[in-house]
Amino acid sequence: GAVVSQHPSRVICKSGTSVKIECRSLDFQATTMFWYRQFPKQSLMLMATSNEGSKATYEQGVEKDKFLINHASLTLSTLTVTSAHPEDSSFYICSAVRGLGTEAFFGQGTRLTVV
Amino acid sequence: GQQVMQIPQYQHVQEGEDFTTYCNSSTTLSNIQWYKQRPGGHPVFLIQLVKSGEVKKQKRLTFQFGEAKKNSSLHITATQTTDVGTYFCAGPLGFNKFYFGSGTKLNVKP
Repeated sequence: GAVVSQHPSRVICKSGTSVKIECRSLDFQATTMFWYRQFPKQSLMLMATSNEGSKATYEQGVEKDKFLINHASLTLSTLTVTSAHPEDSSFYICSAVRGLGTEAFFGQGTRLTVV
Repeated sequence: GQQVMQIPQYQHVQEGEDFTTYCNSSTTLSNIQWYKQRPGGHPVFLIQLVKSGEVKKQKRLTFQFGEAKKNSSLHITATQTTDVGTYFCAGPLGFNKFYFGSGTKLNVKP
């Protein structure tokens, strides 16, 4: 299958700082990338849909000013958690698709801990 | 909000027993996908079902898509310890968005 690389895999940051997470599709061009958040023992909650060259579409209840998404190219999307707070601590995971209705390839995920 | 529901939440079986997880959507799905997430890992694609009433098999795994394309099931025959993990169904709701079911965590006792 295709490869999606997510970096970093783990990050610890201080409250009030910002953290950037990168998601790259290594061997294909992703028309769309998705960002999910997963709390322990829970499912993946879709945060936003990211399309190259356009603004991300955020799910209801997700603060767009807090979770900044940039999709600069067909192979890279970034999620920046701004002014992080301890409640933002979670597992963030991205996925990428080649086209409409096709399988999603997931990054390895990023464990964010805000202290 | 997300409208893909999955049951059961947890399932503990003895190795060799069968296992089934069910996925239900409140709306008709154009297709449904199944993923497996091992403990500490990321979701890995298993299969996609597109046609009404479709049944697909992968070795001991059997996937079904309901006639109304609102429900789906994954059945594992004679579970093995390697089947341990959380199984998620995912349905596209809207333009290329995927919403995941709550997942079923399978534990297999040797």
